[in-house]
Amino acid sequence: AQKVTQAQTEISVVEKEDVTLDCVYETRDTTYYLFWYKQPPSGELVFLIRRNSFDEQNEISGRYSWNFQKSTSSFNFTITASQVVDSAVYFCALSPIQGAQKLVFGQGTRLTINP
Amino acid sequence: DSGVTQTPKHLITATGQRVTLRCSPRSGDLSVYWYQQSLDQGLQFLIQYYNGEERAKGNILERFSAQQFPDLHSELNLSSLELGDSALYFCASSVDLTLYEQYFGPGTRLTVT
Repeated sequence: AQKVTQAQTEISVVEKEDVTLDCVYETRDTTYYLFWYKQPPSGELVFLIRRNSFDEQNEISGRYSWNFQKSTSSFNFTITASQVVDSAVYFCALSPIQGAQKLVFGQGTRLTINP
Repeated sequence: DSGVTQTPKHLITATGQRVTLRCSPRSGDLSVYWYQQSLDQGLQFLIQYYNGEERAKGNILERFSAQQFPDLHSELNLSSLELGDSALYFCASSVDLTLYEQYFGPGTRLTVT
């Protein structure tokens, strides 16, 4: 069975601080995808990134960066110099590459950036 | 804007009733997925259709059913509604089964009273 754990239920920081959202996953699949989605207060789910299990290179996109470590089954997300607009619920998700391509989501981390 | 549309945005209905949620995927996307987001269960996969055929099933109740039509839009039918069915229902789409990036619609918020 697949499982995604986001242990941090809520995080609150002051604007311009760096913040890391943790994601730990469990799967028996040898190949899989990992994702991060953002759910702002408006409610829609916004795709942020997809990572293949065979590509452990870290990725940076502007103020966002992702650290994938297969050895610890973690796929952490860091926001540098946070802004109020980053306030949202962030979801980590997992899916096999073969077979049923359903996303298994973590419970989400509610991030609040205070001015 | 992801390009995925869902109607209606909000739906309020009574227990025991039946509702239909509609989803239009992004132009060119063949695969449609339905998810339910509730406070107690979180975000859960319900069902996937690919080019009109059911592809995968998740935690979908027998009272729920879905289909994908020849024009690729999809409908999720919820019947004999219970209070616990109140949730945000998302539709997502992706191009095919190999390029796997799911883009989500704005969701339909269902309230069962």
